[in-house]
Amino acid sequence: EIVLTQSPGTLSLSPGERATLSCRASQSVTSRNLAWHQQKPGQAPRLLIYGASTRATGIPDRFSGSGSGTDFTLTISRLEPEDFAVYYCQQYANSPRTFGQGTKVEIK
Amino acid sequence: EVQLVESGGGLAQPGESLRLSCAASGFTFIAYAMSWVRQAPGKGLEWVSGISDSGDNTFYANSVKGRFTFSRDNSKNMLYLQMNSLRAEDTAVYYCVKGFGAFDPWGQGTLVTVSS
Repeated sequence: EIVLTQSPGTLSLSPGERATLSCRASQSVTSRNLAWHQQKPGQAPRLLIYGASTRATGIPDRFSGSGSGTDFTLTISRLEPEDFAVYYCQQYANSPRTFGQGTKVEIK
Repeated sequence: EVQLVESGGGLAQPGESLRLSCAASGFTFIAYAMSWVRQAPGKGLEWVSGISDSGDNTFYANSVKGRFTFSRDNSKNMLYLQMNSLRAEDTAVYYCVKGFGAFDPWGQGTLVTVSS
């Protein structure tokens, strides 16, 4: 099983600032089969990024993903008020599919 | 527009059974593998089970293997998760999701509570 470790657990930032979220895998995630999901309180998660760096339909270009192998990053270039949420990475290279424990981006 | 609508959640006692359903619309259902993902209260996301487009192949997390059965009816665009021998640790919101790779989109979820 691929274990995904996200850091930091919580990120306290102000609107307009840049957010950098990390996801580290216990073994290589082949073919960059890594996704990022956003979840707001009381809502279902929403896919942001797949294939490590491809934005899902309708996702603003302030969200970008990068990385390969065992180290992946989600960057939000300038935080908007609606971006404060919890973010999960997810791998789909191996079964079982696994998620990181989440990074909460909160308003400072 | 893709829609996934879960139903069947509720309160069950330990050892009892529940069956969740997911009604899918807005896409060619028979062409896609599907999955269930759950989220315990205040916790993170856990993949539970996946099923191939034909329904011939199913996959389970170790935590539910032997207790849960995932099936689909492609004639009705329906998914089913039969949950037997429920435990307190199965308490969660259960999401129906399209795909077996990058999950997209997610249903709104149905809450399952296992408690005596």
